[in-house]
Amino acid sequence: KNQVEQSPQSLIILEGKNCTLQCNYTVSPFSNLRWYKQDTGRGPVSLTIMTFSENTKSNGRYTATLDADTKQSSLHITASQLSDSASYICVVSDRGSTLGRLYFGRGTQLTVWP
Amino acid sequence: EADIYQTPRYLVIGTGKKITLECSQTMGHDKMYWYQQDPGMELHLIHYSYGVNSTEKGDLSSESTVSRIRTEHFPLTLESARPSHTSQYLCASEQGMDGNTIYFGEGSWLTVV
Repeated sequence: KNQVEQSPQSLIILEGKNCTLQCNYTVSPFSNLRWYKQDTGRGPVSLTIMTFSENTKSNGRYTATLDADTKQSSLHITASQLSDSASYICVVSDRGSTLGRLYFGRGTQLTVWP
Repeated sequence: EADIYQTPRYLVIGTGKKITLECSQTMGHDKMYWYQQDPGMELHLIHYSYGVNSTEKGDLSSESTVSRIRTEHFPLTLESARPSHTSQYLCASEQGMDGNTIYFGEGSWLTVV
């Protein structure tokens, strides 16, 4: 069964600290993996997209890694800010054509305290 | 900044009422989607469209319907709302082949009383 599991479910860190969020998936065949940030009551916003051949991608203070062999990804946030408080969602696509689909994790709820 | 808009943002309606959630994008994207998301849970695909006059049901059983008469417009309609329809509905769009960015609207929070 194609699934996306994220850990931890929730995380509290102090402002300025780093953190790493995890995503494990069983989706096959794999096409790409995306990380989204979703502020409370808002729509998700794209952070990174990685294909099979990419093992790291950065977007400012966000760095995503992908190990397609172990089917694991991580999102590292550097020097956290209060505005980083949000849910971070891992999304895996099995699409190689227009007929595929996306699999969503439940997200990691990050809270950054001052 | 994504040019995809949803209205209304928040709505409280009575059981049995008909409601249409509007979604419009100005990016010329051919693919559009409707997702349902309960708090703390994953997104579930309820409808999608790959172009004008093309609509399909998603994975989550839904009593809603959609239409795609124009590229930029993808409304979702509930003919008779029930309390079980209380949820957040997210519209999204994407251009071209897999691997492009999927842009989401801000969401419509629906409460059925």
